[in-house]
Amino acid sequence: DVKVTQSSRYLVKRTGEKVFLECVQDMDHENMFWYRQDPGLGLRLIYFSYDVKMKEKGDIPEGYSVSREKKERFSLILESASTNQTSMYLCASSFPGGSLQPQHFGDGTRLSIL
Amino acid sequence: QKEVEQDPGPLSVPEGAIVSLNCTYSNSAFQYFMWYRQYSRKGPELLMYTYSSGNKEDGRFTAQVDKSSKYISLFIRDSQPSDSATYLCAEGKGAQKLVFGQGTRLTINP
Repeated sequence: DVKVTQSSRYLVKRTGEKVFLECVQDMDHENMFWYRQDPGLGLRLIYFSYDVKMKEKGDIPEGYSVSREKKERFSLILESASTNQTSMYLCASSFPGGSLQPQHFGDGTRLSIL
Repeated sequence: QKEVEQDPGPLSVPEGAIVSLNCTYSNSAFQYFMWYRQYSRKGPELLMYTYSSGNKEDGRFTAQVDKSSKYISLFIRDSQPSDSATYLCAEGKGAQKLVFGQGTRLTINP
């Protein structure tokens, strides 16, 4: 079974802090994704990566950056956290093949920015 | 206009009822259609996946795609309380990313 593990289930940070969200997958997937999920807005793609050290902007990259130094690990960075970044963050991974390949999700990190 | 529209509900039905969940999409280039189920405090998990018009069955679940109307549906027969979750449709085309609907929150009442 594919396992996508997000390092924290709940996180509380202050505005202006630099925040790191970590995600690890154990299925040797090339693709990894970061989404945020907000009521009424569904899942919105922040960034994705199709290989080590490669990244592509998604629909809402502003205020975020990512890092992929190893195939199994994909980090989301909030450079200077703001209250409008309070959200549920979901990491996913898949084999290459774009939308042909189903994505496997972690259980999310609920981030609160105070 | 959003590429994928899904009624967020909430939808509440009695146990044993047939449930119909629907999405419409605007991009006729979409080729792949998925339904994900998300339980409370968990990540979405893939439930059904199809790439052609018509019906696909898996146990109590049937996914239906009508490309001419740009309309997809998920039917749940003999619904159970354990089916209570948020259901998300997702559409994709080729090498492009998936586009998700807003999700419909479903409650099955015993």
